[in-house]
Amino acid sequence: EDQVTQSPEALRLQEGESSSLNCSYTVSGLRGLFWYRQDPGKGPEFLFTLYSAGEEKEKERLKATLTKKESFLHITAPKPEDSATYLCGLNNFNKFYFGSGTKLNVKP
Amino acid sequence: DGGITQSPKYLFRKEGQNVTLSCEQNLNHDAMYWYRQDPGQGLRLIYYSQIVNDFQKGDIAEGYSVSREKKESFPLTVTSAQKNPTAFYLCASSISGATGANVLTFGAGSRLTVL
Repeated sequence: EDQVTQSPEALRLQEGESSSLNCSYTVSGLRGLFWYRQDPGKGPEFLFTLYSAGEEKEKERLKATLTKKESFLHITAPKPEDSATYLCGLNNFNKFYFGSGTKLNVKP
Repeated sequence: DGGITQSPKYLFRKEGQNVTLSCEQNLNHDAMYWYRQDPGQGLRLIYYSQIVNDFQKGDIAEGYSVSREKKESFPLTVTSAQKNPTAFYLCASSISGATGANVLTFGAGSRLTVL
C-alpha cells in the first residue's frame, strides 16, 4: 500500500536554528515526490519535485533531498516567515498521496 | 493570471442539506482533483477526473458526488449522506494525471461548517 509518513508533527525553532523535516514513503512506482508549503487557511503552494534517489533541489533557505525510502527538507537559518505547515506527497500514476504535514514555528 | 478559483470560501450548511462547492481552472489542465483536509491530518482524496465526462472515486468518496461536463470545471456536491462534512476542501489540477512530470496546483480552499 502506498504511504507517506511525515515527522515530526510539529517543530519549534529559534530564528537561525537549522533543522530537517522527514518524509518516509512506500510506493509501488514512484513518479515524483513533492514538497508543498501551506499557510493557515490557504491552499498548498508548490516548492519542489524530486524524481530519483540522490536528487537535490534548493530554494532560498530550503533544500530537499531524496533517497529510496525517504526525503528530507532541510531548513538553513530559518526566519519567522518560514513558519507554515510543510506537506510531503508522492505521485503514483494517476493519484497523488500526501502525509499529514509538519507544522513549523520559527520564533524571532 | 492562470489559476484555480474555488467558491465559496466559507459555507455553512444545516444537517440534511446538500451543498455544492465550485472549482474552476483556466490552466488548460486535463486532470482535476478534490481533497478534504481535517485538522492535524493530511490531504485525503475524494474524487479525481483525468478527462471530461469521466471521474474516479478516491479514498473517501462516500457521501460526495462530482461532475466533469467541462474541462475547466469540477464541482463537488457534499450530500446529506456525508456523516461528518465539516472540513477544509481543496480543489487541485495537473496537466495530466497519467504522466510523471506532474505538479498539482491548488485552489485557495473552501471551508464548510455544518451547523
